[in-house]
Amino acid sequence: NAGVTQTPKFQVLKTGQSMTLQCAQDMNHNSMYWYRQDPGMGLRLIYYSASEGTTDKGEVPNGYNVSRLNKREFSLRLESAAPSQTSVYFCASSEAVQAGVEQFFGPGTRLTVL
Amino acid sequence: TQLLEQSPQFLSIQEGENLTVYCNSSSVFSSLQWYRQEPGEGPVLLVTVVTGGEVKKLKRLTFQFGDARKDSSLHITAAQPGDTGLYLCAGVSGSGYALNFGKGTSLLVTP
Repeated sequence: NAGVTQTPKFQVLKTGQSMTLQCAQDMNHNSMYWYRQDPGMGLRLIYYSASEGTTDKGEVPNGYNVSRLNKREFSLRLESAAPSQTSVYFCASSEAVQAGVEQFFGPGTRLTVL
Repeated sequence: TQLLEQSPQFLSIQEGENLTVYCNSSSVFSSLQWYRQEPGEGPVLLVTVVTGGEVKKLKRLTFQFGDARKDSSLHITAAQPGDTGLYLCAGVSGSGYALNFGKGTSLLVTP
């Protein structure tokens, strides 16, 4: 099993460009998440999907959109990238959105916006 | 709003030393988790504590959940270079679903 995979691993964008970060999991998990990690800020939740067909905003959703394409895949889109979106983005999955349930993380996408 | 405060932020010690990392909050958590993240990788779950006062051991790592379920600690005995990494505590407060992470403690263990 590959677990949680993310593409691309690295990306450089210019301000105003758009891109989609891809995430897939092969653990048959119901719930998926997108986080960003910035120095000194820890991990912050952008959006999550409790189950296929549903998405909800997290702590820092502005400037992002998500799509739960199917049970396996959850994508994050930046419509008009800004330097403030320079960060490391992590996708995660879990059996359910529930306190105490383990989340499994992908290796991350390192995004730089110039 | 950072619900979980971790201390210290950075810790550099020599192999064989003991250390304790703290995770504190003014909120009550139904459970707390500890994750470890190595450079260039995503976090990996170490343990989940759910009962106030609970103590869990994972080899040389001892995790404790406060009696009031507002804080937790991680104690490492005889640290080794392989323990180097970012230690993150995380929990869900109230009736919410979102996992709140602390900012982490960056640990460096040198031979």
